[in-house]
This record gives sequence, C-alpha cells and structure tokens, in this order.
Amino acid sequence: QKEVEQNSGPLSVPEGAIASLNCTYSDRGSQSFFWYRQYSGKSPELIMFIYSNGDKEDGRFTAQLNKASQYVSLLIRDSQPSDSATYLCAVTPNRDDKIIFGKGTRLHILP
Amino acid sequence: GAGVSQSPRYKVAKRGQDVALRCDPISGHVSLFWYQQALGQGPEFLTYFQNEAQLDKSGLPSDRFFAERPEGSVSTLKIQRTQQEDSAVYLCASGAAGGTEAFFGQGTRLTVV
Repeated sequence: QKEVEQNSGPLSVPEGAIASLNCTYSDRGSQSFFWYRQYSGKSPELIMFIYSNGDKEDGRFTAQLNKASQYVSLLIRDSQPSDSATYLCAVTPNRDDKIIFGKGTRLHILP
Repeated sequence: GAGVSQSPRYKVAKRGQDVALRCDPISGHVSLFWYQQALGQGPEFLTYFQNEAQLDKSGLPSDRFFAERPEGSVSTLKIQRTQQEDSAVYLCASGAAGGTEAFFGQGTRLTVV
C-alpha cells in the first residue's frame, strides 16, 4: 500500500470558488503533515504544515487533519489562476523523520 | 545563503559516466533529504541525514547511488555508472530539526544519454 495517496486530477475549479484537495496516509502513527505547491518546472514550495487534529488557517489556505480517519486536506478559498499548480501532500511516519510524498494533485483554476 | 542551493542545475552525462550532485542546505539545518522526481510524479525519497549521520538510505535504488554529508552541512549524491533510467530531477531539502518542515533547493536535472 502506497504510504501517501492523492487523486492525481486534474481538478478544475472556477476562479473565486473553493478548491478542496485531499490526501490519505497509511501509517496511523504519523506525526507531521505538510502541503507543498509545485509549479511546472519548479521545485516544491511549502504552503502549510499541521501537527494536531483540527483546522489550521493561513490566509486563503486551510489545512485540516483527522488522524482517526488518516486523512488530511487543503482548502483554498477565493481560488486564483495563480493557484494552478500541482499540490503535494507529505507525511512524516512515526518510526523516523523522513518525509514521504504523494504523487500530487494537479489543480487548474478556470478564469 | 538564505536558501538551499544545489549544483549543477543541469547535468548531461553519457551512459556509464559517474556524476556528483551537490547540496548546500540552509545554514544550521540539521535534517537533509534527497529525492528523485520523474516527470509527472511526486518526489521519491532517496536518503535522509541528521547532521552527518545517514539515518535512512532505504530509497536509494541501487548500490550505484551513494550519499554523504561528512561535516553535517554540505551533502553530495554520487551516482556511479549512470544509466538512462537515472534521468530525473534530483531534489535536496533541509529542515531545522527532525519531523519539521523541509525547504527545497532548485534541483538538479540529470539527463543520461
């Protein structure tokens, strides 16, 4: 079983709407959770990190973590064309501190 | 420097040639990660250091791949006898401590011909 699973997309969302990106992970003891954004031809850029159950908000971005369901999501409010990118979910497993990435979800914001 | 620096940015190697990729992490960062990213895929974990200790090398695809971080700062990823399947972007990331967020360099695009 892949450790971090994401729908590859593409996910198309109209400009101004809320984009919802989802991720599941297999290791129940996972400690830290990250969302990265990657534009084509560029390296991943950290957007959010979350360590505790619940919601964490930063500007237009909200990360949500549900450890019981092994589920983490990213909401982007008031989506802009510049949000069009691949969003990578990443998890630190319990046993060690390596960071494992999903394959990413391609998001396309429709002007 | 302010960010993670990788060199070279681009490398073309003939099949069978040895290559060395350098990563200069953010000053003071304890954790250092190497990833391999193929087109359209997420970063695949290769290896992880805390200071000079290589804590996990389970992602290295073969014994042709070797990584070191002898003084706990700069790291080098070496690939011996390169093969076409080694063509990818190699990403380095550093973090302030284990389990915390990591920041990526610009990557090295390796093309084996």
